[in-house]
Amino acid sequence: QKEVEQNSGPLSVPEGAIASLNCTYSDRGSQSFFWYRQYSGKSPELIMSIYSNGDKEDGRFTAQLNKASQYVSLLIRDSQPSDSATYLCAPQGGTGRRALTFGSGTRLQVQP
Amino acid sequence: SAVISQKPSRDICQRGTSLTIQCQVDSQVTMMFWYRQQPGQSLTLIATANQGSEATYESGFVIDKFPISRPNLTFSTLTVSNMSPEDSSIYLCSVGETGGLLTEAFFGQGTRLTVV
Repeated sequence: QKEVEQNSGPLSVPEGAIASLNCTYSDRGSQSFFWYRQYSGKSPELIMSIYSNGDKEDGRFTAQLNKASQYVSLLIRDSQPSDSATYLCAPQGGTGRRALTFGSGTRLQVQP
Repeated sequence: SAVISQKPSRDICQRGTSLTIQCQVDSQVTMMFWYRQQPGQSLTLIATANQGSEATYESGFVIDKFPISRPNLTFSTLTVSNMSPEDSSIYLCSVGETGGLLTEAFFGQGTRLTVV
């Protein structure tokens, strides 16, 4: 079992729709969770962080965390073509680690 | 967030040679990490760079192959030694910044290494 699992995609949504990206993790000790966006040829860019169960909203982005189910998701409302990228889920803090463990990423394509 | 400068941004190297990648941060940071991203893959942690002591390596990575230095709280280097084509990857420096209950990680622009 992989430590962090994401559907590789591509996830294709029309412009203006909601994109839903999902992630499950195996380390129950994970404390904080991060979503990164990575454009092709670029380094990862932090877009959301969450550490409490429930929802956290920031602009068009909403992160959802359910530690009991070991599940974290990212919703992107009003998707734009500029959102087309790979989204990486990264839990942190399990077993005393401060470094991040990355999922394989979900490639999102927003169709104009 | 801290500004992270990584260089070189890219290089093409002959097999059997070594390349040293530098990571400079514009402020003191407690945590620095080195990641590798192989073509089409996600990020894999190579090691945690510890200031004033030996780096902590992840399983599958060894000091002889990837020696790391961290002489102070703003600078680190990663050397890829005795390179082979399998070392062709993007190497990323990352720093951790703690705010409240979170330690967020930020990345340099990466070094794209091609070994021929």
